[in-house]
Amino acid sequence: GQNIDQPTEMTATEGAIVQINCTYQTSGFNGLFWYQQHAGEAPTFLSYNVLDGLEEKGRFSSFLSRSKGYSYLLLKELQMKDSASYLCAVRDGQAGTALIFGKGTTLSVSS
Amino acid sequence: DSGVTQTPKHLITATGQRVTLRCSPRSGDLSVYWYQQSLDQGLQFLIQYYNGEERAKGNILERFSAQQFPDLHSELNLSSLELGDSALYFCASSPQTGDTHYGYTFGSGTRLTVV
Repeated sequence: GQNIDQPTEMTATEGAIVQINCTYQTSGFNGLFWYQQHAGEAPTFLSYNVLDGLEEKGRFSSFLSRSKGYSYLLLKELQMKDSASYLCAVRDGQAGTALIFGKGTTLSVSS
Repeated sequence: DSGVTQTPKHLITATGQRVTLRCSPRSGDLSVYWYQQSLDQGLQFLIQYYNGEERAKGNILERFSAQQFPDLHSELNLSSLELGDSALYFCASSPQTGDTHYGYTFGSGTRLTVV
């Protein structure tokens, strides 16, 4: 089976940097994804890591360590619109190619 | 518009009833995934279809079933509905099984309320 853990809630202020951690246990790892979801809306794709290291995309970066079963999403220059849930998901070969999601981290950005 | 279309957007029905949720994947995508999202459980994977065939099952109840048609649209059937089935149901699609590095595309969801 799979187990994905991430903090339930985080708070930060505008302009700051925040790091959202995700740890996972899976038997057939085949990629880690980060999604952003605003309340009541569809999740939208942020990043994908399959090899160890850092992937940077604008204000967002994602890091993966496969040996540690660990990833983080780094958000820089926070804006109010970044207030949302951030979902960590792994693709596990035992679940076809489906993404298995953690429960998400709700980020609140204040001014 | 993500390119994944889900209908209806909202559905209110009574306990014991049966409903069908519909999903049209993004053009060219062969895989369809169904997810249930409730407040306490997060996004739960239900089932995957690839080019008309069932590919993987997650936490799908026996009261629930799905299929993918030759035109690649998919339907999720929920029967003997219970209050606890109230949730957002999302459909996602991807180009092909086993390969994507740019994520899966989600539809806007169907909000099901069982009263």
